[in-house]
Amino acid sequence: DAKTTQPTSMDCAEGRAANLPCNHSTISGNEYVYWYRQIHSQGPQYIIHGLKNNETNEMASLIITEDRKSSTLILPHATLRDTAVYYCIVRTLRGGSQGNLIFGKGTKLSVKP
Amino acid sequence: DGGITQSPKYLFRKEGQNVTLSCEQNLNHDAMYWYRQDPGQGLRLIYYSQIVNDFQKGDIAEGYSVSREKKESFPLTVTSAQKNPTAFYLCASSPLLGNQPQHFGDGTRLSIL
Repeated sequence: DAKTTQPTSMDCAEGRAANLPCNHSTISGNEYVYWYRQIHSQGPQYIIHGLKNNETNEMASLIITEDRKSSTLILPHATLRDTAVYYCIVRTLRGGSQGNLIFGKGTKLSVKP
Repeated sequence: DGGITQSPKYLFRKEGQNVTLSCEQNLNHDAMYWYRQDPGQGLRLIYYSQIVNDFQKGDIAEGYSVSREKKESFPLTVTSAQKNPTAFYLCASSPLLGNQPQHFGDGTRLSIL
C-alpha cells in the first residue's frame, strides 16, 4: 500500500500558486519524499525530491515539515500545461541501493483559465 | 538526447498470444523497472532489474516475463497466462545507488482484440 495520503482533486487558477499537500505520517528517517506528475497517456515526469530540507528547482518547491510527517509541493505560477495527476511517494534507500516506488492514486490538479 | 524509449506506443494482442514490449535506455542506468497502470489507478511494479542477467519479481509478476541481457535493454513479455493484460505499461530506469529519481518512458498501451 502507498505510504502517503493526498487529496483526490484540486483546482487552481492560472497564474496563481498551486499548493499540493501530502501526508506521510509513518515516514521513517531514511525515506525520501519524491514528487512526480503524469499528464494523460504519458509516462510520469519527475519533479523534485527531498529528505528533510526544503528544496527548489526550476519546476517547483518542496516544503517538508520539521517532523517530516507532511509536505507540500508548490508550483509558483501554475499554467494550463500543469494540469496533471501529481503523485507524492516516499521511498527507502536500502543499504544505499534504491527502493521501489509505490504509487498511490495521486491528486488530479486542474488549472483553470 | 538521453532518455528511455518504449515501443510500440500501441499494441494489440489476440487471445492466447504472447507479446513483447520493448524498453531501451541510453542513460547508463544500472536499474530498470516495469510498471503496469490501469485506468484511474496508480502504478504497480511488475519486475525490476538491478544488474545485467539478474531480475526480481515485483508485486504483480504473474503472467509476465523479462530478460536483461544488456544494460540498456529490458524487454517485457506479456504471456497468455496473463488473463487481464489490457493496461498501460511503463518502463523506468535509475542509478542503482543513491537517491536519484527514476525516469520513465512514454509507455505502451496494450489492448486485447
